[in-house]
Amino acid sequence: DAGITQSPRHKVTETGTPVTLRCHQTENHRYMYWYRQDPGHGLRLIHYSYGVKDTDKGEVSDGYSVSRSKTEDFLLTLESATSSQTSVYFCAIGTQETQYFGPGTRLLVL
Amino acid sequence: DQQVKQNSPSLSVQEGRISILNCDYTNSMFDYFLWYKKYPAEGPTFLISISSIKDKNEDGRFTVFLNKSAKHLSLHIVPSQPGDSAVYFCAASENQGAQKLVFGQGTRLTINP
Repeated sequence: DAGITQSPRHKVTETGTPVTLRCHQTENHRYMYWYRQDPGHGLRLIHYSYGVKDTDKGEVSDGYSVSRSKTEDFLLTLESATSSQTSVYFCAIGTQETQYFGPGTRLLVL
Repeated sequence: DQQVKQNSPSLSVQEGRISILNCDYTNSMFDYFLWYKKYPAEGPTFLISISSIKDKNEDGRFTVFLNKSAKHLSLHIVPSQPGDSAVYFCAASENQGAQKLVFGQGTRLTINP
């Protein structure tokens, strides 16, 4: 298994509060990604990183920001959580040919 | 605009028979295709992939077929086993710097004994 961990694994928060999810990898991989999974939508790309301090938006980036200050860590922040951001969030590392996913974070926004 | 579509939300197959999962895409710039398997409460795991220069790739019980003219790919699992029961996602990407994947909605496969 690729060395990818996510924290927390579960979180319940209230609308309007900030939330930060962490992805940590031990593979020293250049590319890292954040996806969300929702019923009927599969996995959708939120943001990705192609190096330290190099990030770009994905398909559903509104309401999210990211930071990558070290190769091994990729943080996803919900500045002011909304109920529409209730989802399962997956971090991934890899390339076009293969991406390896973390175990996911289940977020509930009340 | 859904660039990658899996039109069957679910599929039920008898153990030992062949499972065929289908995926259609609209973006002609896609040149790499992947299949992932996902169990509940776990992250997706990579199964098999195919480049657009090929039309078939095999790995054990899993075979992926690509029909570029129809913009269609399929995953064949034979023989199907109870442990194959999971949600299957197809994904596609363009050969450019971003290395991004676009996923279909998923198909829930159930293998019946």
